[in-house]
Amino acid sequence: GENVEQHPSTLSVQEGDSAVIKCTYSDSASNYFPWYKQELGKRPQLIIDIRSNVGEKKDQRIAVTLNKTAKHFSLHITETQPEDSAVYFCAASAYKYIFGTGTRLKVLA
Amino acid sequence: DAGVIQSPRHEVTEMGQEVTLRCKPISGHDYLFWYRQTMMRGLELLIYFNNNVPIDDSGMPEDRFSAKMPNASFSTLKIQPSEPRDSAVYFCASSLGGQSNQPQHFGDGTRLSIL
Repeated sequence: GENVEQHPSTLSVQEGDSAVIKCTYSDSASNYFPWYKQELGKRPQLIIDIRSNVGEKKDQRIAVTLNKTAKHFSLHITETQPEDSAVYFCAASAYKYIFGTGTRLKVLA
Repeated sequence: DAGVIQSPRHEVTEMGQEVTLRCKPISGHDYLFWYRQTMMRGLELLIYFNNNVPIDDSGMPEDRFSAKMPNASFSTLKIQPSEPRDSAVYFCASSLGGQSNQPQHFGDGTRLSIL
């Protein structure tokens, strides 16, 4: 069946450094790729998304890149801050979301 | 907009009891999704509705689970009888328009503990 692999499972960075999270999907029909941030005990919240006709999208310190040929997409966070600490989930969607297993990001002050 | 509203926020009950989780989607959204989140299995889609009609229930784990959407502003997820392995956080989400290309907005979830 369809699956999404996400790496790394945990990531620690110093405040101000960059963080990169990578996902690979299996369903070539996937055409929408959202990223969610989930703080402890809270709901997943959409932070950025990208559609299959776009290779890159930026929103302030957050960017996402998509390589359809290789079936992978990545989240890039620059100038990380302590409040970026959370679990980040990628998803790939053809007709329903398939979520990755999550990355726990810790930003060390 | 108030966002997706779920109730209760927490539920603790004994195994064998019936559990009913409730969700009110964002007004105007025509897709509604039920997810289960556990440490072991992550975020799993259980079922989703379009215009109150169940479209894909392939993620519903067993016949003990059932979901309904009697109208555009209300959905329930029922577990009967409940078992300890059903303990998880259950999220409801809604979206507008074409399901696969629109952001899903999540509720705050129901943390369910079955003793």
